Amino acid sequence: DVQMTQSPSNLAASPGESVSINCKASKSISKYLAWYQQKPGKANKLLIYSGSTLQSGTPSRFSGSGSGTDFTLTIRNLEPEDFGLYYCQQHNEYPPTFGAGTKLELK
Amino acid sequence: EVQLVESGGGLVQPGRSLKLSCVASGFAFNYYWMTWIRQAPGKGLEWLASITNNGGSTYYADSVKGRFTISRDNANSTLYLQMNSLRSEDTATYYCTRGAILRIPLGDYWGQGVMVTVSS
Repeated sequence: DVQMTQSPSNLAASPGESVSINCKASKSISKYLAWYQQKPGKANKLLIYSGSTLQSGTPSRFSGSGSGTDFTLTIRNLEPEDFGLYYCQQHNEYPPTFGAGTKLELK
Repeated sequence: EVQLVESGGGLVQPGRSLKLSCVASGFAFNYYWMTWIRQAPGKGLEWLASITNNGGSTYYADSVKGRFTISRDNANSTLYLQMNSLRSEDTATYYCTRGAILRIPLGDYWGQGVMVTVSS
């Protein structure tokens, strides 16, 4: 199975700042990396797939980059609603696997 | 509006069975692959099983292969997960998700989840 290593596990930032979350695959997954946001009481939301393609409805302050084994989710000009948990998922091969998550907290 | 609503969770004893349902609305259910994913308390996400749009093919994680069965009823826009021989480690919130890219699951919509607790 492809192991997905996310970093950091926790991240504290203030509204208006920019942050980056990293995801490293144990083998090449081409461009097939997705990012999800998880917030209490809300359905998980797909933000980005295939490395850098924004899902419909994802604000343009979110961006994804990377290929092969190293990927990054960048959020510019943080809004209050951006705080929560973020997970990466490889969608290159079976079984699809997820990172352990990054908790983005308000500083 | 796309909606996925899971039901059927609850407290069950180890070794017993439970069947989860996910009713879909707001989209052409029979066009989409569907998937079950779970999250143990305080843990990350784990893919469990997926089914093609016509139900002709299914895919399972090793952790549930032989114990869980994914199925669907396209006439009633409902996805199922039959869970047998439940173990304490199956305690989790179970989510149904929609979608796949190139035959690999990718959840563009998620339900709110249903809790399953396996305990004596």
